[in-house]
Amino acid sequence: GAGVSQSPSNKVTEKGKDVELRCDPISGHTALYWYRQSLGQGLEFLIYFQGNSAPDKSGLPSDRFSAERTGGSVSTLTIQRTQQEDSAVYLCASSSLAGGWADTQYFGPGTRLTVL
Amino acid sequence: ILNVEQSPQSLHVQEGDSTNFTCSFPSSNFYALHWYRWETAKSPEALFVMTLNGDEKKKGRISATLNTKEGYSYLYIKGSQPEDSATYLCASPPIQGAQKLVFGQGTRLTINP
Repeated sequence: GAGVSQSPSNKVTEKGKDVELRCDPISGHTALYWYRQSLGQGLEFLIYFQGNSAPDKSGLPSDRFSAERTGGSVSTLTIQRTQQEDSAVYLCASSSLAGGWADTQYFGPGTRLTVL
Repeated sequence: ILNVEQSPQSLHVQEGDSTNFTCSFPSSNFYALHWYRWETAKSPEALFVMTLNGDEKKKGRISATLNTKEGYSYLYIKGSQPEDSATYLCASPPIQGAQKLVFGQGTRLTINP
């Protein structure tokens, strides 16, 4: 079946502008995650959605970052007033939660964000 | 804060040679260990999820072992091929019940033809 898709694949924006990144998880997956990889850094957790539960926002680096998941499916990560340090590859993943914390997370191809 | 470390950071191997690299994690609060392969311009691909001490898993020429008592996992690649060139990531949940993963910095593997 179809994997996790993300759009856009690349986004170049000017400092101070807002951006929206989209993620379409695998159909039927109840859990959705956002991570990012900044240059020279490892993958960093941002936010996690599970079904109708309140999201785990513990990884969001500032209040300029927000995310929502509509209808338990598509998710949008919004970065307001972008800064140069927001430049990174933003990855979305989904999982079925059938196996708990040993669940495989399936990743999308990422959005490369460049803030000029 | 969970600290997952990988070594080496990068590795160059001749085609046909076998290689291995390490993922270290605190043995005191272990729940699961994930290995991913991330090729340039592609999605990270899940390789293994390991939970039990002594686990060994295999996928083609790639295998992994897990030692939860001493806090490490090894990933082995037998007879490296150019298509094995990628960054290999390991990750672990930071606390019991957590679904999010804490990733190591990765090992960038380059296979020289």
